[in-house]
Amino acid sequence: GIQVEQSPPDLILQEGANSTLRCNFSDSVNNLQWFHQNPWGQLINLFYIPSGTKQNGRLSATTVATERYSLLYISSSQTTDSGVYFCAVPIKAAGNKLTFGGGTRVLVKP
Amino acid sequence: DVKVTQSSRYLVKRTGEKVFLECVQDMDHENMFWYRQDPGLGLRLIYFSYDVKMKEKGDIPEGYSVSREKKERFSLILESASTNQTSMYLCASSRDRGTGELFFGEGSRLTVL
Repeated sequence: GIQVEQSPPDLILQEGANSTLRCNFSDSVNNLQWFHQNPWGQLINLFYIPSGTKQNGRLSATTVATERYSLLYISSSQTTDSGVYFCAVPIKAAGNKLTFGGGTRVLVKP
Repeated sequence: DVKVTQSSRYLVKRTGEKVFLECVQDMDHENMFWYRQDPGLGLRLIYFSYDVKMKEKGDIPEGYSVSREKKERFSLILESASTNQTSMYLCASSRDRGTGELFFGEGSRLTVL
């Protein structure tokens, strides 16, 4: 099946710093999602991004489908950005069930 | 906004008990999913459903069953709970087969003693 790999696995940031998270996938996909899992366990949708770039406040994402990767940028990080960030790609043949990457655990220190 | 609601945030059950985890979505989505999440193992798909009364096995269906009697509701059933089913359970829904965007509920943390 399709493989989804995220890097780095862990990231410690000082508040105010910028960072880039990466998601590589092994096969062509028709879409990709980024999620933030908060400390209470809920997965929050960040971006639904098949290609190109999207921005939402201090977060932005870029997917280059032809090269099979996506990047999530966090600018001016805040302590509330802490948590685990997942990327996931849908398997079209299986009702769009998602294959998840292993996640990047982010800790933003005040 | 899409809302996916799971009936219980925290449950504690005993080995052998029958456990129901309920999930309701309010956006008329066709697809619904149950995942479990464990440290080091990531999110794994248990079951999913394309439509009412339809169900498909995911990657780890053993020990679970599901029910979808109404479009908005998807229940996960543990017929006889075991300690290795202690986990975080996450329900999700998506609009249709052509749209992959998934929306998750808040999660249900189950402990089986």
